[in-house]
Amino acid sequence: EVQLVESGGGLVKPGGSLRLSCAASGFSFSSYSMNWVRQAPGKGLEWVSSINGGGGYTFDADSLKGRFTISRDNAKNSLYLQMNSLRAEDTAVYYCTREGSNWRESDYWGQGTLVTVSS
Amino acid sequence: SYVLTQPPSVSVAPGKTAKITCGGNNIGSKSVHWYQQKPGQAPVLVVHDDSDRPSGIPERFSGSNSANTATLTISRVEAGDEADYYCQLWDTSSDHVVFGGGTKLTVL
Repeated sequence: EVQLVESGGGLVKPGGSLRLSCAASGFSFSSYSMNWVRQAPGKGLEWVSSINGGGGYTFDADSLKGRFTISRDNAKNSLYLQMNSLRAEDTAVYYCTREGSNWRESDYWGQGTLVTVSS
Repeated sequence: SYVLTQPPSVSVAPGKTAKITCGGNNIGSKSVHWYQQKPGQAPVLVVHDDSDRPSGIPERFSGSNSANTATLTISRVEAGDEADYYCQLWDTSSDHVVFGGGTKLTVL
């Protein structure tokens, strides 16, 4: 059974940093591209970042302006999101997702981890 | 950047057919995916590659895509189908994943 379990969310002050983790199991982790998708309270889904199976290619939403960095450790079956210079508008539930095919749908989602940026 | 436009809300009576649209420039040339999200839950993929259903998704869910509009059709709507629905695609020109704004389906 495919499982994605996020952790690392919490309350952080504006300007602070946070590192999210996603533990994957039930599939060959290194064979799949992975994503982070976020959802602000009461709002829609927003793609954040993607990384290919080998970790050599990453893609980020333009709105992040280079503040976030996606990475992975295939030996640990883990996906990460390093978030720096956090702003109030980064407050959201962050989901880890697996890409199912060449057309980049997210076929499995974690339960999400809440990041709150507030003073 | 590529924009996907969904109606904010759609209402349908139980047993009827609901159609949720997703508009985009020449979207018919792209592969569109659809997600269902119930309150407090993570999204679930219900249609991928325009019209394919993942295993476990009822046949009542179907999709189509042509010209400038992709459509998610839910037949014989049930109370349990009440949820937010999002379309999504991969914009190959920018290498970005794009989501529509979401549609709240209300079962009357």
